[in-house]
Amino acid sequence: GIQVEQSPPDLILQEGANSTLRCNFSDSVNNLQWFHQNPWGQLINLFYIPSGTKQNGRLSATTVATERYSLLYISSSQTTDSGVYFCAVTAYTGANSKLTFGKGITLSVRP
Amino acid sequence: NAGVMQNPRHLVRRRGQEARLRCSPMKGHSHVYWYRQLPEEGLKFMVYLQKENIIDESGMPKERFSAEFPKEGPSILRIQQVVRGDSAAYFCASSPPGANTEAFFGQGTRLTVV
Repeated sequence: GIQVEQSPPDLILQEGANSTLRCNFSDSVNNLQWFHQNPWGQLINLFYIPSGTKQNGRLSATTVATERYSLLYISSSQTTDSGVYFCAVTAYTGANSKLTFGKGITLSVRP
Repeated sequence: NAGVMQNPRHLVRRRGQEARLRCSPMKGHSHVYWYRQLPEEGLKFMVYLQKENIIDESGMPKERFSAEFPKEGPSILRIQQVVRGDSAAYFCASSPPGANTEAFFGQGTRLTVV
């Protein structure tokens, strides 16, 4: 099946810093989503972005489907950005819309 | 529009008991997915259902686990004769009709087997 790799596995930032989180996938995809799992375990939808670029406040994301990667940018980080960021994809050859998740990137933003 | 609702949020079961996890999808969503998250890991797909049909159960353990999404009422993930290795967070997601639409997740049920 499709493989999803996220990097770096862990990231520590000072409040106000910018960061880039990367997601590589091994095959063509129909769907790509970024999620933030907060310290309470809740999964928050950040972006639905199978291709192109989107922005939402301090966050933006770019997916280059032909090169099989996606990037999540966080600018002016805040302590509330802490948590785990997951990239998840639906394989192009898949018969349904099930998501395959990466292992996540643990972000800690220090005040 | 309420989000995906899961209950209970926390569930404690003794070894050998049954666990029933419930999921009500978002209004207008016809696709339901169950995922399991072990500590320090990402989410793993278990099963995909539409009303009264199991579409893909390739991620479900062969024994003790079952899922349904009846015509009326929530989707149910049932685990019989639970063992300690079943302890995990179980998430439900729903998505609108159509292929490859955006999925939204519930808050999860944290199952602890003692």
